[in-house]
Amino acid sequence: SAVISQKPSRDICQRGTSLTIQCQVDSQVTMMFWYRQQPGQSLTLIATANQGSEATYESGFVIDKFPISRPNLTFSTLTVSNMSPEDSSIYLCSGNTGTEAFFGQGTRLTVV
Amino acid sequence: GEDVEQSLFLSVREGDSSVINCTYTDSSSTYLYWYKQEPGAGLQLLTYIFSNMDMKQDQRLTVLLNKKDKHLSLRIADTQTGDSAIYFCAVSKGTDSWGKFQFGAGTQVVVTP
Repeated sequence: SAVISQKPSRDICQRGTSLTIQCQVDSQVTMMFWYRQQPGQSLTLIATANQGSEATYESGFVIDKFPISRPNLTFSTLTVSNMSPEDSSIYLCSGNTGTEAFFGQGTRLTVV
Repeated sequence: GEDVEQSLFLSVREGDSSVINCTYTDSSSTYLYWYKQEPGAGLQLLTYIFSNMDMKQDQRLTVLLNKKDKHLSLRIADTQTGDSAIYFCAVSKGTDSWGKFQFGAGTQVVVTP
């Protein structure tokens, strides 16, 4: 298994600012992903974080709004840029080891 | 309709069995997962099944897969109050898509004494 830690666990941010969320895995994972869980809803995949190259974004998500880095196999960051209240969500990082995928505890973001 | 569908709510008495159902549309889904989310927490992997299997049992958990009907279920035996949570069904196409999931909306399970 893998233990995935996210920082910060929660934050309250002013609209128009940006927040960078960090995701650290305790072991090497093959793939890392970022998801968003809007209030009362399920999880939606934002992007696949690719090591050493640009992330692969899902439909509806763009690099300018959600820049992602993955400098090595165990670490990734997601930035939520130019935030608006609609960005208030839980953001979750996940990583898989073979067929098992594990999630961080999430970052609860509130934009005011 | 949605690619992965779940009923939204299930109430069960402590000690009874819970059955949570999930249907999916993509027949190329090869790995099917169940996750548990407790209030304020992340997702905990409960179990998963490969599409070439019909059933998988892990202690109190039994997963049944009907690939023909694209129907997945999770049975929790002897349900306890600690099982109260939201349960998510997730499907993946596997190989290079492991961990790249489509999630259901989640089933809120409430266990009553």
